[in-house]
Amino acid sequence: KAGVTQTPRYLIKTRGQQVTLSCSPISGHRSVSWYQQTPGQGLQFLFEYFSETQRNKGNFPGRFSGRQFSNSRSEMNVSTLELGDSALYLCASRADISETQYFGPGTRLLVL
Amino acid sequence: QKEVEQNSGPLSVPEGAIASLNCTYSDRGSQSFFWYRQYSGKSPELIMSIYSNGDKEDGRFTAQLNKASQYVSLLIRDSQPSDSATYLCAVKAYGNKLVFGAGTILRVKS
Repeated sequence: KAGVTQTPRYLIKTRGQQVTLSCSPISGHRSVSWYQQTPGQGLQFLFEYFSETQRNKGNFPGRFSGRQFSNSRSEMNVSTLELGDSALYLCASRADISETQYFGPGTRLLVL
Repeated sequence: QKEVEQNSGPLSVPEGAIASLNCTYSDRGSQSFFWYRQYSGKSPELIMSIYSNGDKEDGRFTAQLNKASQYVSLLIRDSQPSDSATYLCAVKAYGNKLVFGAGTILRVKS
């Protein structure tokens, strides 16, 4: 079974721009969570989507948003990028009956 | 107090030795715990999950959970240079949010 996939893998943007990241979960997984990883703050939860509904949200500003489609693929969007948004953005999927989350390879975002 | 705490290391062990990684958490109501391994430049990879007090073994890895002490550990037996990585302890919070520790860097020297 294929794992979680994320696109693009690398991205360079400038301050003020916006960015959209994509995640395709493991086949059959309906839950998708997004995390941000930085050297200073570590891995932090952004939000979780299940069946196209946001179920849980972390402590991030409204510039960070997401959505999920009927095929469980998810996107996250960051608007008005700041230098501090430079990070590895990780997507994780989970089966309905499990608490275990499996991570994708991540998208490395650099904001200049 | 951080929700999940780990010693950042680095923890250095010789090849073939037992590496012991520790994690404490603050929410006494937590029920689900996970260990992930992350190689430099890569994403976290699940090693083990543990839900009940006691030990859980999987190959060279043993996870230990003590809910009364709010303590989770991971033992790696017969450590190999390929085990050199950052080990992340994660605790499931409300919903399905995972709260991660800062990670412990493990270095296995041949």
